[in-house]
Amino acid sequence: NAGVTQTPKFRVLKTGQSMTLLCAQDMNHEYMYWYRQDPGMGLRLIHYSVGEGTTAKGEVPDGYNVSRLKKQNFLLGLESAAPSQTSVYFCASSYWRVSTDTQYFGPGTRLTVL
Amino acid sequence: AQSVTQLGSHVSVSEGALVLLRCNYSSSVPPYLFWYVQYPNQGLQLLLKYTTGATLVKGINGFEAEFKKSETSFHLTKPSAHMSDAAEYFCAVWPYNQGGKLIFGQGTELSVKP
Repeated sequence: NAGVTQTPKFRVLKTGQSMTLLCAQDMNHEYMYWYRQDPGMGLRLIHYSVGEGTTAKGEVPDGYNVSRLKKQNFLLGLESAAPSQTSVYFCASSYWRVSTDTQYFGPGTRLTVL
Repeated sequence: AQSVTQLGSHVSVSEGALVLLRCNYSSSVPPYLFWYVQYPNQGLQLLLKYTTGATLVKGINGFEAEFKKSETSFHLTKPSAHMSDAAEYFCAVWPYNQGGKLIFGQGTELSVKP
């Protein structure tokens, strides 16, 4: 099993450009999450999904959109990138809700917005 | 709202010395508690978690943590540090009343000196 994979690993954007980050998991997990990690701030939840076709806002959803058209994939979109979105983005998944089940993380995508 | 505080953004110990990483949470109702580890350029990995039952929880790589309700703490310890323990450590809580989302502390970077 590959676990949780993220594409791409690195990306540089100019302000105003758009992009989509792809997260894929092969563990048949119901729950998927997108976090951003910034120095001194830990991880903050952007959006999450409790199953195929469902999404919900997390702590810092502004400027991002997500879709979960297939159970194994969770896409994070930036419609108009801003320098404040420079960060490392992590995707995670779990079979059940994280209170009782282990959350598995991908290796991260390092995004720089100029 | 629930919050998590990790005391010390950087901790340095000598190889073989005790590791103590501090975590306090704010809640009148004890949440579920987690410690994650992030090795350089990798995603997060679960070290251990407390949900219910025994307050001393043992995790991987010789780490353990003790839930102390009276102190609202969940400190992480390891009796003898190894060079391979150098990483960033995150404490996280799952509060019952906030929609099932993990809340992370800001992280503590552990350095191990030879």
